[in-house]
Amino acid sequence: DTGVSQNPRHKITKRGQNVTFRCDPISEHNRLYWYRQTLGQGPEFLTYFQNEAQLEKSRLLSDRFSAERPKGSFSTLEIQRTEQGDSAMYLCASSYQGHTNEKLFFGSGTQLSVL
Amino acid sequence: DAKTTQPPSMDCAEGRAANLPCNHSTISGNEYVYWYRQIHSQGPQYIIHGLKNNETNEMASLIITEDRKSSTLILPHATLRDTAVYYCIVRGSGANNLFFGTGTRLTVIP
Repeated sequence: DTGVSQNPRHKITKRGQNVTFRCDPISEHNRLYWYRQTLGQGPEFLTYFQNEAQLEKSRLLSDRFSAERPKGSFSTLEIQRTEQGDSAMYLCASSYQGHTNEKLFFGSGTQLSVL
Repeated sequence: DAKTTQPPSMDCAEGRAANLPCNHSTISGNEYVYWYRQIHSQGPQYIIHGLKNNETNEMASLIITEDRKSSTLILPHATLRDTAVYYCIVRGSGANNLFFGTGTRLTVIP
């Protein structure tokens, strides 16, 4: 396995459209995280899954944001009715929970531009 | 998780050691210090972590003060490929995620 894979790498959309991003974690990892990063800022935590259970979603930015991990493997992040302020890099990370101090492995992100 | 303070930017000459400081004066006893870096257009990459003792791996060394209120990441021989934003993060054992600040932008100069 070569690491965390995110698709697409770039997405350009018009305001009001829905977008969906996909993340494929490292295969043996049971935790999956979504972060958002805007220019000049560090990554901002959005949500995470342990297997298929979404254990933290209070930091999702609004009810337009939703994430799924239906079979405990890949995950999708959907943004409905996109706004220009949603333009950012969306990062996915995975880890194996069970180690005392788990390390997060990040993908290269999906860069979203909302016109 | 405790808050960290890092200088916004630093320069380092290629081949020299890069010493990146981090203050975490409110760290509690079960919190670890983690370092990640982010090279332009890539996701963050794990570097090293520690609790009390100094740590070294193939990428870097981590020096934690005895009172644990600050730490220094050392890249012993910086190369141009080490130009990146370096994040110091304090995280409790069992915490569910990492909280990133704005980090230190390290520029390695030829």
